[in-house]
Amino acid sequence: EDKVVQSPLSLVVHEGDTVTLNCSYEVTNFRSLLWYKQEKKAPTFLFMLTSSGIEKKSGRLSSILDKKELFSILNITATQTGDSAIYLCAPQDGNQGGKLIFGQGTELSVKP
Amino acid sequence: GAVVSQHPSWVICKSGTSVKIECRSLDFQATTMFWYRQFPKQSLMLMATSNEGSKATYEQGVEKDKFLINHASLTLSTLTVTSAHPEDSSFYICSARDMERGTYEQYFGPGTRLTVT
Repeated sequence: EDKVVQSPLSLVVHEGDTVTLNCSYEVTNFRSLLWYKQEKKAPTFLFMLTSSGIEKKSGRLSSILDKKELFSILNITATQTGDSAIYLCAPQDGNQGGKLIFGQGTELSVKP
Repeated sequence: GAVVSQHPSWVICKSGTSVKIECRSLDFQATTMFWYRQFPKQSLMLMATSNEGSKATYEQGVEKDKFLINHASLTLSTLTVTSAHPEDSSFYICSARDMERGTYEQYFGPGTRLTVT
């Protein structure tokens, strides 16, 4: 059975801190891994990672995938209160139209 | 680009009635759309994969006669919750793949909050 585990489940930091969010997975027909940010509504796309060891970066956010050890991390540097959200990791099944298997999410709270 | 809309954004209905939710890809074609359900404080659970012009593929435990999915065009999929009950109250979210980009990136609609009284 496909499985996704995110850690920590919740995290409280202060503005300016750097955080690392973890995602480990077991997916039979793995194709890629996607990260999303969810605030009050639906998730917004952050990154899609397909290859191991290649960092993707967008502003203060970056992410990398390790297909050998079956995990990914999402880093946020110089956190701001606007980064407060639930971060979802979702490996993708390549054999079923690209369906996503979501982890339970990491709830990040950034205090001023 | 890659905008997905949903309608309505929220709906309240009485127990026993049916509710239709629309999911549209506004600026791209989507042969595949996905329907998710999210209960409070929980993650997204895939309900079904909707393919244009063919029957939807439902996840285990999801009743296909209760959650009717139609994907009649490359930009529109609909989810109808039939004979809704209070336990169907949830946040329903669709996503779509941008086929023209040839990638597997999925973009989510803003979601529909359903409350069944």
